[in-house]
Amino acid sequence: GAVVSQHPSWVICKSGTSVKIECRSLDFQATTMFWYRQFPKQSLMLMATSNEGSKATYEQGVEKDKFLINHASLTLSTLTVTSAHPEDSSFYICSASRLAGGSYNEQFFGPGTRLTVL
Amino acid sequence: GDSVTQMEGPVTLSEEAFLTINCTYTATGYPSLFWYVQYPGEGLQLLLKATKADDKGSNKGFEATYRKETTSFHLEKGSVQVSDSAVYFCALTQGAQKLVFGQGTRLTINP
Repeated sequence: GAVVSQHPSWVICKSGTSVKIECRSLDFQATTMFWYRQFPKQSLMLMATSNEGSKATYEQGVEKDKFLINHASLTLSTLTVTSAHPEDSSFYICSASRLAGGSYNEQFFGPGTRLTVL
Repeated sequence: GDSVTQMEGPVTLSEEAFLTINCTYTATGYPSLFWYVQYPGEGLQLLLKATKADDKGSNKGFEATYRKETTSFHLEKGSVQVSDSAVYFCALTQGAQKLVFGQGTRLTINP
């Protein structure tokens, strides 16, 4: 159980276009979903945290108008990279958490989406 | 702010060798500590965790002990296998759900 999928797994787009990435929790309802960005040979950097039905909370330095997050249901969150540019090329990873008791709600990670902007 | 520092990779070992991947952290308060593993083509998976000082997390032959005095959470395994080849991430959280990751260490095990 606790499987998270992402779609697409990779995408190539032209500069100036928008790209939507989906993150789904397949067998559980996620109280919260997270979006990370990973540069080559670097760590995962949290971009934003979203709860179903409310606005996402963005980390400092992340442009909310650039990276639109929609969390329409307890099993689906989307990240839209608007007017993408080559510097937005990266590996985007989502995770979903569910209530597990205690002080920590375990996050389950998707396989990631490789975005290349030409 | 909080941060995690891992030993730089890549690390290459022979099968059955002893593994240590160092991880140290900087945090206010009392964080929970984690090791995640990312196998090729897959998402990150929780490998083990420890929520308070002196706790030892263990799973699949891997162990890590939460050392508050040295702010460390080093990952160890006594005898690695080819199937352990992956990228390993050390991470912490301060009770809220936000995870802070180290940079990752790529491990390759040769038969």
